[in-house]
Amino acid sequence: EVQLQESGGDLVQRGGSLGLSCAVSGLSFKIRNMNWVRQAPGKGLEWIAYISADSSTLHYADSVEGRFTISRDNGKNALYLQMSGLRDEDTGVYYCVVVGGGVALSFYYGMDVWGHGTTVTVSS
Amino acid sequence: DIYMTQSPSSVSASVGDRVTITCRASQSIGAWLAWYLQRPGKAPQLLIYNAAALQRGVPSRFSGSGSETEFTLTISSLQPEDFGTYYCQQCNSFPLTFGGGTKVEI
Repeated sequence: EVQLQESGGDLVQRGGSLGLSCAVSGLSFKIRNMNWVRQAPGKGLEWIAYISADSSTLHYADSVEGRFTISRDNGKNALYLQMSGLRDEDTGVYYCVVVGGGVALSFYYGMDVWGHGTTVTVSS
Repeated sequence: DIYMTQSPSSVSASVGDRVTITCRASQSIGAWLAWYLQRPGKAPQLLIYNAAALQRGVPSRFSGSGSETEFTLTISSLQPEDFGTYYCQQCNSFPLTFGGGTKVEI
């Protein structure tokens, strides 16, 4: 069974920093591209960051570019999101997500496995 | 950026009803579209990818169609476990973007 377990969510002050982790099991992590997707309270889904399987390609949403950094450790089957300069609008649930659909591994095919999410609250 | 617009934003339906949700893209995305269901308090799950391909394990009452800028998700006979919020997502290019969601409720 594929499992994604996010951790690191916390209450943090505006302007502060926080690191999220995602432990992945049950699939060949080293060949899977990964996303972080977040959801503000009562709002819709927002994609924020992508990393290719070999870490050679990174993409960020404009809303987090320059403040957030996605990374991975294929030896540890782990995905990370380092966040700095946190703002009120960064509050929400952060999901670790495996890219792909069906037997395809590309971002063209959606996002087929989601973690349960970890909650980040930014407050003054 | 590609903007995704869903309609309706909410729909009231009963078990057994046929439900159709529309998603429009601000520019052509070919067939690079996915649909998700998010049940209350849960993470989203992938239903449809490549506009019309059913993700493994998803019941056949779900179907997707469309291309370029207009897409449709149809639930042929709504079941109790189908209530929640549905999102479309364009998979054509970064930044990946979602529609605002369609809440399907009783």
